[in-house]
Amino acid sequence: RKEVEQDPGPFNVPEGATVAFNCTYSNSASQSFFWYRQDCRKEPKLLMSVYSSGNEDGRFTAQLNRASQYISLLIRDSKLSDSATYLCVVTSGGGADGLTFGKGTHLIIQP
Amino acid sequence: NAGVTQTPKFRVLKTGQSMTLLCAQDMNHEYMYWYRQDPGMGLRLIHYSVGEGTTAKGEVPDGYNVSRLKKQNFLLGLESAAPSQTSVYFCASCLLAGGPRSTGELFFGEGSRLTVL
Repeated sequence: RKEVEQDPGPFNVPEGATVAFNCTYSNSASQSFFWYRQDCRKEPKLLMSVYSSGNEDGRFTAQLNRASQYISLLIRDSKLSDSATYLCVVTSGGGADGLTFGKGTHLIIQP
Repeated sequence: NAGVTQTPKFRVLKTGQSMTLLCAQDMNHEYMYWYRQDPGMGLRLIHYSVGEGTTAKGEVPDGYNVSRLKKQNFLLGLESAAPSQTSVYFCASCLLAGGPRSTGELFFGEGSRLTVL
C-alpha cells in the first residue's frame, strides 16, 4: 500500500457546488497532516493544516479520521478560482527531511 | 521580498551534458530542499540541506549532486544529463529551525523546467 494515496480525478464540479475529496495514508503513526494547492504550471502552496478536531478556513474545511486513516478537504460554494490540484501531505515525527506529498487531486470548477 | 528564486526557469539539454540549477532564498531559512515533479509521480525529494555546508539524500538522489556553500543558496547539479531527468524541478525552503513537519509549510520557488533530449 502506498504511503499516501489520492484520487487523481479530475473532479468536474459546477460553480457554486460543494465538493469533497479524501486522502488515505498507510502509516498509523502519522502525526501531522496538511493540504497544499497547486495551480497549473505553478508551485505548490500551503492551503491549510488538518487538526484532530478538524478546522475551517472560510469555504474550506479539513478533517482527519484517524480510525480510517484518511484526511478530507471540503470546499463549499466553489468558485472558478478553486480550480487547481490539491496535494495532501502526511508526516510522522519530527525531522528535517522534507514533506511527503500525495500525487494530488485535480479539481475543475465549471461555469 | 523575492522569497525563493530559481534559475534558470527553462533549459533544454542534450544527453550527457551537465548543468546546475540555482536556488536562492532571502528569508534566512535554514532548511532547503530540491524536489522533482513528474506526471503521475507527484513531488519527490531529491536532496535536502539542514544548514550551510550540509546536505543529505532524499528519495531519488541518483544522478544529482548538491551543494550548500552559502546559507541562502542551494545548488542542484546534473553531471551527465539523461532523458529520465526531464522534469520540473522545485526548490523549497523552511521557515522554522525545527523543520517543516511542525508547520507543514515549505516555501517553493516557481520551478525550473528541464528537458533532456
